[in-house]
Amino acid sequence: QKEVEQNSGPLSVPEGAIASLNCTYSDRGSQSFFWYRQYSGKSPELIMFIYSNGDKEDGRFTAQLNKASQYVSLLIRDSQPSDSATYLCAVNRKPGNKLTFGGGTRVLVKP
Amino acid sequence: DGGITQSPKYLFRKEGQNVTLSCEQNLNHDAMYWYRQDPGQGLRLIYYSQIVNDFQKGDIAEGYSVSREKKESFPLTVTSAQKNPTAFYLCASQSPGASTDTQYFGPGTRLTVL
Repeated sequence: QKEVEQNSGPLSVPEGAIASLNCTYSDRGSQSFFWYRQYSGKSPELIMFIYSNGDKEDGRFTAQLNKASQYVSLLIRDSQPSDSATYLCAVNRKPGNKLTFGGGTRVLVKP
Repeated sequence: DGGITQSPKYLFRKEGQNVTLSCEQNLNHDAMYWYRQDPGQGLRLIYYSQIVNDFQKGDIAEGYSVSREKKESFPLTVTSAQKNPTAFYLCASQSPGASTDTQYFGPGTRLTVL
């Protein structure tokens, strides 16, 4: 079992719809969870981080964390063609605050 | 203008050569990290350093070496012992403080072995 798992996609959504991305992790001791967006050929850029169970909203993005189920998700509302990218889920590991990444989910937003 | 810089953007290496990738940050971050990304995959940790003059191996350190002589700089050397070095290399730094463990990435170096 991989430490952090994501569906590789592609996840195809029409413009204006909600994109829902899922991520599961194996280490029950993980405390910090991150979503990065990566455009083709570019480096990852941070979208959101979440530490506590529940929802966290930032603009069109909502991160959801359920530590009991070892599950973190990202919702993108009103999806735009510019949201087409690969979304990477990352989980913090101690010591050293190391990040373990999932393989990423490719999202395609079609006009 | 604060940030993380990596150079060069593209690097070509011949078989048997060592090459060094540069990573510099002016964010006053204590911790720095090197990751490798292969096509269609996530990032894997090579080395990390939480303080000057100290560094630890990550998950795939074989064939790589690092140094941390200055807070701002964390160069990565890809040695000839690394059997499959062609990849996208990403450097990251992290702001200090236990409650703020977010990592920010530089633009990356794409290494190709000829």
